[in-house]
Amino acid sequence: DQQVKQNSPSLSVQEGRISILNCDYTNSMFDYFLWYKKYPAEGPTFLISISSIKDKNEDGRFTVFLNKSAKHLSLHIVPSQPGDSAVYFCAASDMKTSYDKVIFGPGTSLSVIP
Amino acid sequence: NAGVTQTPKFRILKIGQSMTLQCTQDMNHNYMYWYRQDPGMGLKLIYYSVGAGITDKGEVPNGYNVSRSTTEDFPLRLELAAPSQTSVYFCATSRGSNEKLFFGSGTQLSVL
Repeated sequence: DQQVKQNSPSLSVQEGRISILNCDYTNSMFDYFLWYKKYPAEGPTFLISISSIKDKNEDGRFTVFLNKSAKHLSLHIVPSQPGDSAVYFCAASDMKTSYDKVIFGPGTSLSVIP
Repeated sequence: NAGVTQTPKFRILKIGQSMTLQCTQDMNHNYMYWYRQDPGMGLKLIYYSVGAGITDKGEVPNGYNVSRSTTEDFPLRLELAAPSQTSVYFCATSRGSNEKLFFGSGTQLSVL
C-alpha cells in the first residue's frame, strides 16, 4: 500500500511553459514534504521542501503547494527548461516520530522539449 | 569535497555470493542511510545509522547487514545474494533527523 503516490509516471512539457508535478499521500500524520530531482546515473538531489504549517513555498522557478485537506501537493516549475528533464520524487515524513519514516513516491519523469 | 561516495558503481553477482557496498562521506553528518530503488518504485529504506556504533533497521532490511564503526563509513553487506536483491542502491546522509538527504551516485547491482 503506497502511502505516497505520484500517479503520473511521465510528463512532457514544452520549454518555457509550466510543469506541474503532482503527489498524493494517504497518511494524515505526514507533516513535512520534500521534492528530490534525479538525473540518470546520479543520486537524487534535494530540490525544495514544505512544512504542513505552510501552504506554499517558493524557490526561484520552483514552487510547492500543499493542500492538507486533500492530502495533495504539487510542484510547479516556471518556466520549464531542458535542464529540468529528470525524475522527480515526492517524499513525506512525520517529524514528530523518527527518521525512518521518510516515504518516497515512485517518481515522475519530466521531459522538457526544446 | 567529495560529499557521499559509493563504490562500486556496477556489480554482477551470482546467486549465493556475498559482497559489500561501500559508502563514505566527508560531510561530517551523523545520520547515514541505505536505500534501494526498484523500477517504478520509490526509494525504500534498508538500514540507517544515527552515529558511529548505532544502526537500526528500516523498511526492507532482510538479507542485508550494516556496521558503523566511524562517522565517515557505512558499508552495506549482502551475505547470500538473491535475484530479489537486484536493484539500485543509494547511500545517503543528513545532518539530523528529518533533514534533507544528500545521496551518493548509486550502485547498480544485478544478481543472476
